[in-house]
Amino acid sequence: QLQMRESGPQVLKPSETLSLTCTVSGGSISSSSHFWGWIRQPPGKGLEWIGSIDYSGTTYYNPSLKSRITIFADTARNEFALKMSSVTAADTSFFYCVRHTNTRNDGFAMWGQGTVVTVSS
Amino acid sequence: SYVLTQPPSVSVAPGKTASIACGGNNIGSESVHWYQQKPGQAPVLVIQHDSDRPSGIPERFSGSNSGNTATLTISRVEAGDEADYYCQVWDRSSDHYVFGPGTKVTVL
Repeated sequence: QLQMRESGPQVLKPSETLSLTCTVSGGSISSSSHFWGWIRQPPGKGLEWIGSIDYSGTTYYNPSLKSRITIFADTARNEFALKMSSVTAADTSFFYCVRHTNTRNDGFAMWGQGTVVTVSS
Repeated sequence: SYVLTQPPSVSVAPGKTASIACGGNNIGSESVHWYQQKPGQAPVLVIQHDSDRPSGIPERFSGSNSGNTATLTISRVEAGDEADYYCQVWDRSSDHYVFGPGTKVTVL
């Protein structure tokens, strides 16, 4: 059964770079049938898709975040990662890694448990 | 980019029916997905492609989509249905995924 787990620093200072990793077990991120992505949720607020990566390494980013984010995959470790530069307090959020199919209008069927990142000076 | 609207809250008595609307320009031509999120938990996909229930989702959850409104309906509401519900579509014009602001369902 597929499992995904997010990991990374939980506290950052403003202007630092956020780095999160999603470790996948029970399935391969090299699958041509799926995308692997990130979604965030500020405490008490709604969901925002950050971006996704496919098996070939092609990335798709939220236009509102594109200038600050990079998503990349390590197929040897079966992990994919998110980097977000120049964070501010507004980036304080729960971050979820997700798996969705390569059919663009499908939903997000699999979610990690999430990890919270707080940006504070 | 594509904008989705949802009522902030819906209240319903146990055993009754809750309907949650998701508004968007000609949303009936899009594929709408619905997620349930309970406090402290990750969202769960409860309806995909307007009306399809993923495996394990009770039949009490159903969906429809037409015109400018998609609707999630929860029949015979139970206390355990109390949660936030989000609709979501893929915005093909800007090639990114959009969520509605969420609706908090309270079981009276």
